[in-house]
Amino acid sequence: QVQLVESGGGLVKPGGSLRLSCVASGFTFSDYYMTWIRQAPGRGLEWVSYISGSGDTIHYADSVKGRFSISRDNAQNSLHLQMNSPRAEDTAVYYCARVVAAVAGFYDYWGQGSLVTVSS
Amino acid sequence: DIQMTQSPSTLSASVGDRVTITCRASQSISSWLAWYQQKPGKAPKLLIYKASSLESGVPSRFSGSGSGTEFALTISSLQPDDFATYYCQQYNSYSPTFGPGTKVDIK
Repeated sequence: QVQLVESGGGLVKPGGSLRLSCVASGFTFSDYYMTWIRQAPGRGLEWVSYISGSGDTIHYADSVKGRFSISRDNAQNSLHLQMNSPRAEDTAVYYCARVVAAVAGFYDYWGQGSLVTVSS
Repeated sequence: DIQMTQSPSTLSASVGDRVTITCRASQSISSWLAWYQQKPGKAPKLLIYKASSLESGVPSRFSGSGSGTEFALTISSLQPDDFATYYCQQYNSYSPTFGPGTKVDIK
């Protein structure tokens, strides 16, 4: 069965850095776009970034462009989000999800989420 | 970016009620719309995609309709497990966006 397991969340200082990871199993990882979506405490869902199966197509939300970097390692079935210079408003639960359909698509499987808290 | 709105923001209903949630897009998104259910502390769950296609394993009491800019999610007979928050999401553009959510709680 499809599983997505995030790790790497925690407390990070403003201006610091943090790397989130998501390990996938139960499907051919390289066949799918993957995405990161976040949810601030008590708030709604916000798309952050997605990456194509080969890694050659990447898009970011304006709110993270230039600060966050998405990548993947298809040999390790893993997805990553490098968070540089985080701000307090980046505090959220970060979910990785599998994308169905081309490009932006919709999300049929989600991880359990990883909490990132940005605070000094 | 395409803006998504939902109404109502909160809906109080009883078991057995027919419930409809509306989602509107700021421009036409054809049928590129999905609906998700989220319970507290859990990841969202896909219910509907392409506006009206039911995801495998989702009960048939859930249905979606609409195209262009106006969409609806209907629960034909609300069950205790359905009390949750529901989000719509457009995937017509390279920057997908979600609606603000509709919380369905017990009347």
